[in-house]
Amino acid sequence: DTAVSQTPKYLVTQMGNDKSIKCEQNLGHDTMYWYKQDSKKFLKIMFSYNNKELIINETVPNRFSPKSPDKAHLNLHINSLELGDSAVYFCASSQVERGLGELFFGEGSRLTVL
Amino acid sequence: LAKTTQPISMDSYEGQEVNITCSHNNIATNDYITWYQQFPSQGPRFIIQGYKTKVTNEVASLFIPADRKSSTLSLPRVSLSDTAVYYCLVASTGTASKLTFGTGTRLQVTL
Repeated sequence: DTAVSQTPKYLVTQMGNDKSIKCEQNLGHDTMYWYKQDSKKFLKIMFSYNNKELIINETVPNRFSPKSPDKAHLNLHINSLELGDSAVYFCASSQVERGLGELFFGEGSRLTVL
Repeated sequence: LAKTTQPISMDSYEGQEVNITCSHNNIATNDYITWYQQFPSQGPRFIIQGYKTKVTNEVASLFIPADRKSSTLSLPRVSLSDTAVYYCLVASTGTASKLTFGTGTRLQVTL
């Protein structure tokens, strides 16, 4: 069983469109995260949720909206996509709040905006 | 915010010990140091975590000096499959946790 799974794995879309990436974890963790990895491989945290509550919200355009229907799911919705949004988006989860514990990452969702 | 700095890349031959150093000069009292490994087209994977002195597990050792302003990941006897990017992460339990990854070190292991 995959611990942290993301869908879709690849996403190609046009500028201005709206798209969503879904994430699910079956580890029973309380905390989930979204990270963005750009072409230079910098791995930057975007959001973190603990028990469906937002606890970290980095400087991310408000076109990005995370939603956590329950503690096992954290989805990322992106409005009005721009070229600069092209990146690999990783979902992660951890047992201990604020990352002191081990982060378990998904395989990533590669978003390409044309 | 504990910013981290790592060498961009390192090369090693198979069978050698590899030491990758991460600088985190403004590490906070509550911060822990964690290292992750990332292969192409995969998410990062946890290697080891420590607070001070030395930590060892089945795959690596982590050395942290008394001032905690740097840390060194030691990989004994690397193999070709250890070729990957290694990230240093300084994590805090405080309310200002940023979970900031370093720039990563690309390790290339050859025969």
